[in-house]
Amino acid sequence: QQQVKQSPQSLIVQKGGISIINCAYENTAFDYFPWYQQFPGKGPALLIAIRPDVSEKKEGRFTISFNKSAKQFSLHIMDSQPGDSATYFCAARGAGSYQLTFGKGTKLSVIP
Amino acid sequence: EPEVTQTPSHQVTQMGQEVILRCVPISNHLYFYWYRQILGQKVEFLVSFYNNEISEKSEIFDDQFSVERPDGSNFTLKIRSTKLEDSAMYFCASRVDSANYGYTFGSGTRLTVV
Repeated sequence: QQQVKQSPQSLIVQKGGISIINCAYENTAFDYFPWYQQFPGKGPALLIAIRPDVSEKKEGRFTISFNKSAKQFSLHIMDSQPGDSATYFCAARGAGSYQLTFGKGTKLSVIP
Repeated sequence: EPEVTQTPSHQVTQMGQEVILRCVPISNHLYFYWYRQILGQKVEFLVSFYNNEISEKSEIFDDQFSVERPDGSNFTLKIRSTKLEDSAMYFCASRVDSANYGYTFGSGTRLTVV
């Protein structure tokens, strides 16, 4: 119940294309859903996050779509650039909990 | 931009030895965390620390692990007797307060147990 399932494991997108990464969860007590971007040798960096009371949040080229009834959320990267090549992790936090539960990560490669 | 600083960046230790991983969280942050990432796998929660005590810990955080905030700025993770399976990247993170859920992670310490 504490798991967050992330797909795909890896993704290759052409420059200018849309990258879509999906996550699903079981625990209905999760109340905060962030996405992290990680470059090799670096720690995860918060990209964008959403609470379950909204269905979509957009920040620049990054959009989270959230489907509460399906218990799914996804990250869309519009106009993907080679600099977006990184590993992306979805995560979730349970209400009243201090910890984040991470998905297994998606390695995104944006090719010119 | 404020950073979470971790030292050392890489530590090699022999099995059975004690290691201390060090972190300097962002100065006005109140919540502190350790996570680890075994190579190629997901980031896993170890422990959270608030108001000078552990607030939550995972099953991974057994008696071999301890945390301390000895001087109001540093935040340390000690592994008493390292095992081969402790080899991982260890990330420290901090969060400003209870209303703000965003973590800032450090760049990590790569621990290699041989």
